[in-house]
Amino acid sequence: QKEVEQDPGPLSVPEGAIVSLNCTYSNSAFQYFMWYRQYSRKGPELLMYTYSSGNKEDGRFTAQVDKSSKYISLFIRDSQPSDSATYLCAIRMNYGGSQGNLIFGKGTKLSVKP
Amino acid sequence: DTGVSQDPRHKITKRGQNVTFRCDPISEHNRLYWYRQTLGQGPEFLTYFQNEAQLEKSRLLSDRFSAERPKGSFSTLEIQRTEQGDSAMYLCASSLGFPSTDTQYFGPGTRLTVL
Repeated sequence: QKEVEQDPGPLSVPEGAIVSLNCTYSNSAFQYFMWYRQYSRKGPELLMYTYSSGNKEDGRFTAQVDKSSKYISLFIRDSQPSDSATYLCAIRMNYGGSQGNLIFGKGTKLSVKP
Repeated sequence: DTGVSQDPRHKITKRGQNVTFRCDPISEHNRLYWYRQTLGQGPEFLTYFQNEAQLEKSRLLSDRFSAERPKGSFSTLEIQRTEQGDSAMYLCASSLGFPSTDTQYFGPGTRLTVL
């Protein structure tokens, strides 16, 4: 079993739709959860960073973490064509500062149609 | 622009040649990471530096790969005797390094094509 599982899609939605993106992870030691957005042939750009279970909102984006189910989600409200990109979930353990590499999912390719 | 920069953005080389990539992190960031991303996959960790010290290497980093960060600022990643399987996007990221806010900011990547 891979450490992080993410459905690669592709996912196509009409403009204005609510988008739900999800990842599952296998190790309960993971403590930090991130969502990155990556446009074609560009580097990943951080969207959301969460530590605890629950919801975190930033504009049209909501990140949700359920540590008991090892499940993380990103919701995009009122989706726009400019949201068309690949969305990567990333997780990290914390060894008191000795390690910090991210473990990424495969990414879900999202297309928002006008 | 004060983000992470990488050079070159694209590199095409023939199998067996050596290549070197450069990463300039955000200036106050003391941690620097290298990742590799192949088509349809998420980035995979290769190695990271705390200042000039290389603290961890992934098993993906074969003997043909070497990374340096000589003065704790920019870093270089060299691949010797390139193989077609090395074709990928090589991403650099930097962070402040504090455990609770160790947010990694990525550069635009160097796309390597090995013919």
